[in-house]
Parts: sequence; structure tokens; C-alpha cells
Amino acid sequence: QVQLVQSGAEVKKPGASVKVSCKASGYSFTSYDINWVRQATGQGLEWMGWMNPNSGNTGYAQKFQGRVTITRNTSISTAYMELSSLRSEDTAVYYCAKGTRTFDPWGQGTLVTVSS
Amino acid sequence: DIVMTQTPLTSPVTLGQPASISCRSSQSLVDSEGNTHLSWLQQRPGQPPRLLIYRISKRFSGVPDRFSGSGVGTDFTLKISRVEAEDVGVYYCMQAKQFPRTFGQGTKVEIK
Repeated sequence: QVQLVQSGAEVKKPGASVKVSCKASGYSFTSYDINWVRQATGQGLEWMGWMNPNSGNTGYAQKFQGRVTITRNTSISTAYMELSSLRSEDTAVYYCAKGTRTFDPWGQGTLVTVSS
Repeated sequence: DIVMTQTPLTSPVTLGQPASISCRSSQSLVDSEGNTHLSWLQQRPGQPPRLLIYRISKRFSGVPDRFSGSGVGTDFTLKISRVEAEDVGVYYCMQAKQFPRTFGQGTKVEIK
């Protein structure tokens, strides 16, 4: 079945970077966009950016421009989201989701905790 | 950015009774080909979001037919005809007409 499996929870200090992976299976990885969405505890969903795994083209929400980088390794059907200059407000669950205009499926989520 | 506004933010419902959630966008979600890119997502407690409805009213694979979507232009509605215990969670509308994709604040459906 179509599935996205994300890497495990991370604890980072303020100012550090984090890189979360999202491994796709059950479909052609390069045929569908991957999006990254985050959710702070008890809060709503916030779209961060997208990538076309075939071309490598990306787009980011203005809020994260300069701090977020989405990449991929097509040989292992895996997308990555790296967020730099972490601050406490970046503590959240980070999700990847397949699709361009409809997001399905979603990864299980990766908790990133930023704490000194 | 397109702002998505949901009402109510909390919906206490009796099991077996209907529930309705509204979503309004700050601008039309109709693209140049006449498609309206409005989806509804369900997030059960402790779970990632799940796609329920896309393009206003198309139920995604495996979604029970008690869920239905309607609307036009900037005003949309998600209805649950008879709420079941497994429907407890937060529901989000999402626009995908343009970047950045944006979500409503979420509506929590709880059992009275």
C-alpha cells in the first residue's frame, strides 16, 4: 500500500538544525509532489513547502524562506526537510504528505523538540 | 495568502445526530479550468491527518458515505449525517488553489 514513513523524534538545542526524512513506498516516488506540514502541540496545521521529486523543484512558505530546505534521494525514494536556526517556537510535529492539490497519505509525523 | 476561516471551532454532538462545519475562504478557490481546490481532512486524536473530501464534494477512497461536502466559490460545508464515536477529532478545510497552501483553524467534534 501507499505509505510514507518518517524518521524518529529529535531533540535539538536552539540555533541547531534538524533534518527529517520521509520514505515513500507503494507508488512511483518521482510521480507525485511531497509537502511538509507542521503542527505545534494543540495547534493547527501549517504548510511549510513542497517538492517535485522528479525535477527537484521546490517552493517554500515565506515564513520559512531561508531556513527550510527540502531535498530528495530518488534512489531510495526518500524526501528530506531540513530546518535551521531552530528556536523554541519550532517545537512541533512535522509531517510529510503526498500530492499536489490533495494530500494523501500523510506520514506518521516526527516530533522535533527544541530545548536548551 | 488565502485565509481559511472555520466555524464553529468546537461542535458538541450527540451520537447518531448530524454535525455541520463551515469553511470560508478569503478569495475564490476556483482555478482557470473551473476546478475548486477545497479539501477536508480529519485528524483523530494522536493520529496524522487523513483526507476525507477533495474538490468540495468528492469522497476519498474508503471514506464512509455519512460524510459529505458541498459549497461554491468561497463558502463550503462538511456534513456528517449521523455522528459515530470514531468521528471524534479535529476537522480542517484546506485550499490548494495557490501557494502557500493554507488550512482552516480546525473544528473539534466531540460527543456530548
